Amino acid sequence: DGGITQSPKYLFRKEGQNVTLSCEQNLNHDAMYWYRQDPGQGLRLIYYSQIVNDFQKGDIAEGYSVSREKKESFPLTVTSAQKNPTAFYLCASSIDPRQSNQPQHFGDGTRLSIL
Amino acid sequence: AQTVTQSQPEMSVQEAETVTLSCTYDTSENNYYLFWYKQPPSRQMILVIRQEAYKQQNATENRFSVNFQKAAKSFSLKISDSQLGDTAMYFCAFMKGTNAGKSTFGDGTTLTVKP
Repeated sequence: DGGITQSPKYLFRKEGQNVTLSCEQNLNHDAMYWYRQDPGQGLRLIYYSQIVNDFQKGDIAEGYSVSREKKESFPLTVTSAQKNPTAFYLCASSIDPRQSNQPQHFGDGTRLSIL
Repeated sequence: AQTVTQSQPEMSVQEAETVTLSCTYDTSENNYYLFWYKQPPSRQMILVIRQEAYKQQNATENRFSVNFQKAAKSFSLKISDSQLGDTAMYFCAFMKGTNAGKSTFGDGTTLTVKP
């Protein structure tokens, strides 16, 4: 079955450490997105990518980095510059960003906590 | 910038009854799309229903329907014959017509269906 796979489901980070969250999709979607979800709040966009080898900052990109070397993969690195990284991270994809009525498909999320 | 407001952080409904979740948005755009997403306790976010702003007819998907009031910038979700499986957090989302798939989400409404 096609879908979006995020791993790991739970992740712990030590102070000063960079960690990378994986997101893979086999839906042949062009666009991919990373959101951060905090308790009682909606989703905030961190980064998004419309095509391979291209990505743009979202609303809260500071302290995060991404790459899009393959269509299927859009890993998110939470750097030590992100001072409050504890949150739930959701990856999403959509068919074609030019067809803007297309909804996003979401992964199961990764919960990141600080040790 | 667009904003999406869900004024009801929590709601509850008895099984088989009808409930309406409210959503308002603020935009100067004329071409846009609106979505309701559902995030059950298992955490995978899924699309419930979508509405194109240029369509006057309200969208309907089985037990889910919307009341789209463009002039009032209101987009409420009505769930008829509520089922226990409807228990989830519901997010309203706005997408500009030319925004490459980027969505702005509300803070969510946690709906509990009681037996």
